[in-house]
Parts: sequence; structure tokens; C-alpha cells
Amino acid sequence: DAGVTQSPTHLIKTRGQQVTLRCSPKSGHDTVSWYQQALGQGPQFIFQYYEEEERQRGNFPDRFSGHQFPNYSSELNVNALLLGDSALYLCASRSEIKRTGELFFGEGSRLTVL
Amino acid sequence: GDSVTQMEGPVTLSEEAFLTINCTYTATGYPSLFWYVQYPGEGLQLLLKATKADDKGSNKGFEATYRKETTSFHLEKGSVQVSDSAVYFCALGERESGYSTLTFGKGTMLLVSP
Repeated sequence: DAGVTQSPTHLIKTRGQQVTLRCSPKSGHDTVSWYQQALGQGPQFIFQYYEEEERQRGNFPDRFSGHQFPNYSSELNVNALLLGDSALYLCASRSEIKRTGELFFGEGSRLTVL
Repeated sequence: GDSVTQMEGPVTLSEEAFLTINCTYTATGYPSLFWYVQYPGEGLQLLLKATKADDKGSNKGFEATYRKETTSFHLEKGSVQVSDSAVYFCALGERESGYSTLTFGKGTMLLVSP
């Protein structure tokens, strides 16, 4: 049973560029959340997707956008990259019906902005 | 808004020592509380949780009790092992969001030496 998978694992971009990160949720899960984890900090909630719609959003600018596909996989897009966007981006999934209180996290995509 | 404060790390212990990692929280509602662990090179995993006051979560020898009067959820283990070396995150979540929008502390690194 595959867990949450994310790609790419590492990437380097320059300021002003755009980036797309991808996530496949754990089998049986239909809700995907994205978190940003800056170095030495805890993860911060970006947004959550369910039924291909953004359902909740944290305190992040509109440069951060996402998408969920019919197969429940998801993308995180960041436009006009800033140095401060350098971080580990984590995807987490769960089942909407089976709300056990546990999120399943991927290993993350580490973004470096130069 | 909601917030979580954890003790600063790293916490350095010898094998079989007693572990305490302090966590306090501020929340507008009545949250559930979680400890997640991040082993090197891996994603976050749920370690334990508690959903109401005086509940004790436990797993793998770790314990934490939900103390509403002191707004605390301290993590303890009686005898740590080298394999417990990891970063530990305290988090809170609201039931209404299905716990997807977790608020995390900054994390506490634990280093256990033989």
C-alpha cells in the first residue's frame, strides 16, 4: 500500500520563476492538504482540497495556488518565487469519511529559491 | 488565533534516560492535540493524540496527557532508545476541519546517544 508520494524531491529555482509540485495521496484518501515547513520551523497550513475544490486556506498569498484532479492527486503552484519561499513543502492526505484525526504526510519537496 | 509553543531543542540524552518535551497551546475552541514525529529523511508520522481533557495518548512507550487547566500536552517516555532520535512536533487541530488544518509548534529535536 503506497503512502503519500511527492515529486520532485528537490528542486532549485530563481526568483521570479514559477514552480509546480505534485502529490499522490495514500490509497483510499480523498482529501489533500499542503503545508510549508521553513527551516527550523513547524509546518504551516497552506490549503486543503476536497472534491477538486479548495475548501480551506491558510494565511498565504494568491501566488500560492493549487489543483486537485479526479484521481485525488494534487498540485501546488507557486508563482513569482521569492527567496522566502525556500522551504520543504509537505503534502498530507486523509479520508473525508474516516476522520480519525490522523494526517498521512509525504516526505516533501524541498524548494530552494536563489 | 491558535498557537503551539514547544521547548527549544536539541534535547540530548543518553540511552535509557527519561524524556520530557514540553508543549503548551492557545486555542479559541476546544481542540484535539497531537504529537507527530519526523525521523531523518522521512515524512511526519502521528505518534499519539488526545481528543478531550484528561485523555492520555500513548504509543511506542511515549505518553502525553491533555491538561486543559494548564493548556499543556507534554510528551514523556520513561526510557529512550537511540532509535527515538528524531524531531517531535506538538500540534492542535479542530474537529470541524477534520484535523486537516493542524497548527504545529516549531519542533524539538531529540538526540539519543548509546
